Amino acid sequence: EVQLVESGGGLVQPGGSLRLSCAASGFTFSSFEMNWVRQAPGKGLEWVSYIGSSGAGARYADSVKGRFTISRDNAKNSLYLEMNSLGVEDTAVYYCVCSRASRDAFDIWGQGTMVTVSS
Amino acid sequence: QSALTQPRSVSGSPGQSVTISCTGTSSDVGGYNFVSWYQQHPGKAPKLMIYDVTKRPSGVPDRFSGSKSGNTASLTISGLQAEDEADYYCCSYAGSYTLYVFGIGTKVTVL
Repeated sequence: EVQLVESGGGLVQPGGSLRLSCAASGFTFSSFEMNWVRQAPGKGLEWVSYIGSSGAGARYADSVKGRFTISRDNAKNSLYLEMNSLGVEDTAVYYCVCSRASRDAFDIWGQGTMVTVSS
Repeated sequence: QSALTQPRSVSGSPGQSVTISCTGTSSDVGGYNFVSWYQQHPGKAPKLMIYDVTKRPSGVPDRFSGSKSGNTASLTISGLQAEDEADYYCCSYAGSYTLYVFGIGTKVTVL
């Protein structure tokens, strides 16, 4: 079964850090580009970050640039998002997403992990 | 990069057709044929319904179709069914700097 499972979410104080992980299974993880997409409570979807299949070519939304770092370990079939200097505006469900059907289509989604930034 | 413009809500009776518009600029929707559409039921992860403007992934009913004209893309749901009631988001490639921008989302209600 094709699956993405996120972990690492939780409650963190403003200014704090958190590292999200995403475990992939059921497909050749190393062949596909990956993204993080987030959704604030009651709000729409927001693209956060992209990484190429080999780990190169990372890109970030302006809202997280300089604070978030995306990485992957193809040997462990895992994707990561290191989040620093977190603010209340970063509170959201974070989805790990694979672009398998097309480079620019998000066709495999994880169940999401909730990040709450609050004092 | 601003979010793509979608109507907040659309509605239709079972069996009818509804169309959701997604308006951007020449830097995103109008500049590339990389528009995708996602369906999201409450409490669930989004699901890809259309990609590359008109392509439908395996398993998505052919009642769902996509198109684009200029800076506006559209998703049409024909033969509306109760299970189609959900939020729908468009997304477009927006160039090598911003990469992707989503629409604000449209709530589809089946009357």
